[in-house]
Amino acid sequence: GQSLEQPSEVTAVEGAIVQINCTYQTSGFYGLSWYQQHDGGAPTFLSYNGLDGLEETGRFSSFLSRSDSYGYLLLQELQMKDSASYFCAVPSGSGSARQLTFGSGTQLTVLP
Amino acid sequence: ETGVTQTPRHLVMGMTNKKSLKCEQHLGHNAMYWYKQSAKKPLELMFVYNFKEQTENNSVPSRFSPECPNSSHLFLHLHTLQPEDSALYLCASSQGLEGAGRSPLHFGNGTRLTVT
Repeated sequence: GQSLEQPSEVTAVEGAIVQINCTYQTSGFYGLSWYQQHDGGAPTFLSYNGLDGLEETGRFSSFLSRSDSYGYLLLQELQMKDSASYFCAVPSGSGSARQLTFGSGTQLTVLP
Repeated sequence: ETGVTQTPRHLVMGMTNKKSLKCEQHLGHNAMYWYKQSAKKPLELMFVYNFKEQTENNSVPSRFSPECPNSSHLFLHLHTLQPEDSALYLCASSQGLEGAGRSPLHFGNGTRLTVT
């Protein structure tokens, strides 16, 4: 089966940098994704890492190390609007049985 | 606007009621999903449809019954629910089944269900 671990809560101040870690166990690996969800809102796709290394999209970056079964989401120049839950996710299965397994989410609180 | 619309946003129902949740996607995607989100728990995949055909049923109790009349619409029919079924029910769609990379999931805002 698949399992993912990430911290339940992280707090940081505006303008700071925060890193949200994710470790995973999966029988087959097809990449690591990150989603953001504001309170009362829909989860939205942030990034995907299929290969080792860093992917940068504006203030957000995501890193993957397949040998360590580990990834992280890096948020820079934090803004109040970044307060949300962040989920890492891995696809599992193959063909018609492919599905996405999510971690429990990390609640990020950005303080003024 | 996410391109995936769910109705109703909130639903309160008794354990003997029958109700349906509706999801519509305007993105031209081929796959649609129902997820359950409970407090402090990971998103749980319930059902997957690809090109209107159900490809996954993750051991969901029969009191939840999905219906996918076409690639743009997905329903979740509810009957004889239990209080522990109270949760946020999220619909999602994707171009392919991967759920990652080229085919990320696009979620609706969900239906907040309370079973009394």
